[in-house]
Amino acid sequence: SQQGEEDPQALSIQEGENATMNCSYKTSINNLQWYRQNSGRGLVHLILIRSNEREKHSGRLRVTLDTSKKSSSLLITASRAADTASYFCATDAPGTYKYIFGTGTRLKVLA
Amino acid sequence: ETGVTQTPRHLVMGMTNKKSLKCEQHLGHNAMYWYKQSAKKPLELMFVYSLEERVENNSVPSRFSPECPNSSHLFLHLHTLQPEDSALYLCASSQEPRGGGQETQYFGPGTRLLVL
Repeated sequence: SQQGEEDPQALSIQEGENATMNCSYKTSINNLQWYRQNSGRGLVHLILIRSNEREKHSGRLRVTLDTSKKSSSLLITASRAADTASYFCATDAPGTYKYIFGTGTRLKVLA
Repeated sequence: ETGVTQTPRHLVMGMTNKKSLKCEQHLGHNAMYWYKQSAKKPLELMFVYSLEERVENNSVPSRFSPECPNSSHLFLHLHTLQPEDSALYLCASSQEPRGGGQETQYFGPGTRLLVL
């Protein structure tokens, strides 16, 4: 299956530090997205990166994509306590309406 | 606020009950999705509607019955559920996927369902 897998499963850092999360997937994609979910709530879209892009920025977020390694990373710089949440990558399945989500990385930012 | 609302936010039901979950999107999208999120498992896609037609049905038990009366509304009808169906049910919407791949999905806050 084309399941995105995030690494690490859990991450705890101090406020002000950078947080890096990784995602690996198995088959070819058109794009990859990162989402954030606060406890028990819906997912919020953070950033989309297309297969012909290598890096994208949005505010304190930086996403990279390496299609040769089938992997992506999400970097949150200068983290804040409010960044505490679960972060998911999702890959599309070309030719279908599906997005395949991983199990997520639980990030805890300590004040 | 993502422009996708879901009601109810919490639901407790017995195994013999019939209930419905409602989703409404105010984004002008024409594709809508139901997902199930259980603890420690990846988000599971259940159903997809595009232009009010069901286009994906991921081997979901018949005790879950979706309905999409128009492009802004999506329902999930529940009957004779099992305790293992307890989960967070998320609705999402997007533009109709084009040749470049899937479009960004916008999620509602979810309905937390507990089946006793």
